[in-house]
Amino acid sequence: EAAVTQSPRNKVAVTGGKVTLSCNQTNNHNNMYWYRQDTGHGLRLIHYSYGAGSTEKGDIPDGYKASRPSQENFSLILELATPSQTSVYFCASGDDLLVNTLYFGAGTRLSVL
Amino acid sequence: AQKVTQTQTSISVVEKTTVTMDCVYETRDSSYFLFWYKQTASGEIVFLIRQDSYKKENATVGHYSLNFQKPKSSIGLIITATQIEDSAVYFCAMRENTGKLTFGDGTVLTVKP
Repeated sequence: EAAVTQSPRNKVAVTGGKVTLSCNQTNNHNNMYWYRQDTGHGLRLIHYSYGAGSTEKGDIPDGYKASRPSQENFSLILELATPSQTSVYFCASGDDLLVNTLYFGAGTRLSVL
Repeated sequence: AQKVTQTQTSISVVEKTTVTMDCVYETRDSSYFLFWYKQTASGEIVFLIRQDSYKKENATVGHYSLNFQKPKSSIGLIITATQIEDSAVYFCAMRENTGKLTFGDGTVLTVKP
């Protein structure tokens, strides 16, 4: 069964609305990540976390917040969604800080109209 | 800042042949980890293989192997006896000291009958 689960899988939002993307992992990994992927581009890091209660800014954090209330759950929050945030979002968990092989969720396709 | 570059946007090969995908990286770290991930047509992203910078021998997993040339900051992915189902996007990534993974923009591999 999937060890990293994202919800929803698809989301249509209106400009200016609030969007929350959720991620749950059963790997018992300390590290969790949110990436976005745009057509023709690789994965760009938005926020990440080293454990419950911690969040860190990635390379493109503007317009996004993150929340890690527990080891298993990591959310990405768009307080005021904009069309430029239309993308595919991937959550991942990392096995340990030293090596950090990532295990990805299936992705969430977000469209902001 | 750490950087990962994949210069080949796309590659097309005939099945059962060998393909090499290039990746070069920039880092100031003396010890680091390099990864290759595969993204299938369904969007699923899976870990393929890893190279630890302090190891001289090239990593091999199944029909995937790496060509690690440390002086050139290069980590090529070699797929032998390619199959149709190897068609996918392949991402090179490098672990930073912070634990973050920086990804390249990917190489699209098409394997034709």
